[in-house]
Amino acid sequence: ETGVTQSPTHLIKTRGQQVTLRCSSQSGHNTVSWYQQALGQGPQFIFQYYREEENGRGNFPPRFSGLQFPNYSSELNVNALELDDSALYLCATKLGPSGSAGETQYFGPGTRLLVL
Amino acid sequence: QKEVEQDPGPLSVPEGAIVSLNCTYSNSAFQYFMWYRQYSRKGPELLMYTYSSGNKEDGRFTAQVDKSSKYISLFIRDSQPSDSATYLCALQGGSEKLVFGKGTKLTVNP
Repeated sequence: ETGVTQSPTHLIKTRGQQVTLRCSSQSGHNTVSWYQQALGQGPQFIFQYYREEENGRGNFPPRFSGLQFPNYSSELNVNALELDDSALYLCATKLGPSGSAGETQYFGPGTRLLVL
Repeated sequence: QKEVEQDPGPLSVPEGAIVSLNCTYSNSAFQYFMWYRQYSRKGPELLMYTYSSGNKEDGRFTAQVDKSSKYISLFIRDSQPSDSATYLCALQGGSEKLVFGKGTKLTVNP
C-alpha cells in the first residue's frame, strides 16, 4: 500500500456535467500530480500542485482544474465533460520540494470515470 | 514521433521464462528511468528506478539503460504467475512530470 487514497473509486457522468475527484496523500507528501490513463494507454500528465499552487501543466484544456489544500489533500475538477474524458484518473504524491525531479512518486488506486 | 515508444504486447510466457520488456525514447533530456507495474484496476507501483546507463538488479528484476541508444529494458527472471500485470516504462527529465510508455501487458502461465 502506498498510503495514497482516492475517492470515489468509480463514477458515471453524462456529457456536459462537472465532476470532482479527490486524493489524500501520506503525511508530509506536499507535492501531488494528477494523471489521466485512457484504456490501453499509459498515464498522461495533467498537472502538479505544490504548496497549494499549480506548478506544471500538461497538454490539457482549462476545463481541467485542481486544488491543493493546506493538509496536502487535492481535488481534480473537470467541467463540461466529454466522452473522451472517460478514463482512470490517478494522483501521485511525493515528499519533497517542487523541482526535485527524480524523487519517488507514489500512485493512488485511481478513480474510474465513465462519461455517457 | 512519440517521446516514448513501448510495444503494448500482449506478451504471454510460461512460468519460469525470462521476460524482456523494452522502451525507446527520443528526448535526450530524460535523466531518470523507471519501471512501474500495474495490476488490473489498480494504480501503478514503482518496481525499479535508475538514473544512469548500465544495469540495476533487484531480486528477479534487472533494469538496463543505454542512454547512447535511448533504449531501456526490464528483465524478469524465473517469471511467476503473480508477475502477470501491465508493465509501464516512465521517464523523467528536469521537470516534474513522468512520461509513460503505453504499457506492455504480460501474462505468465502456470
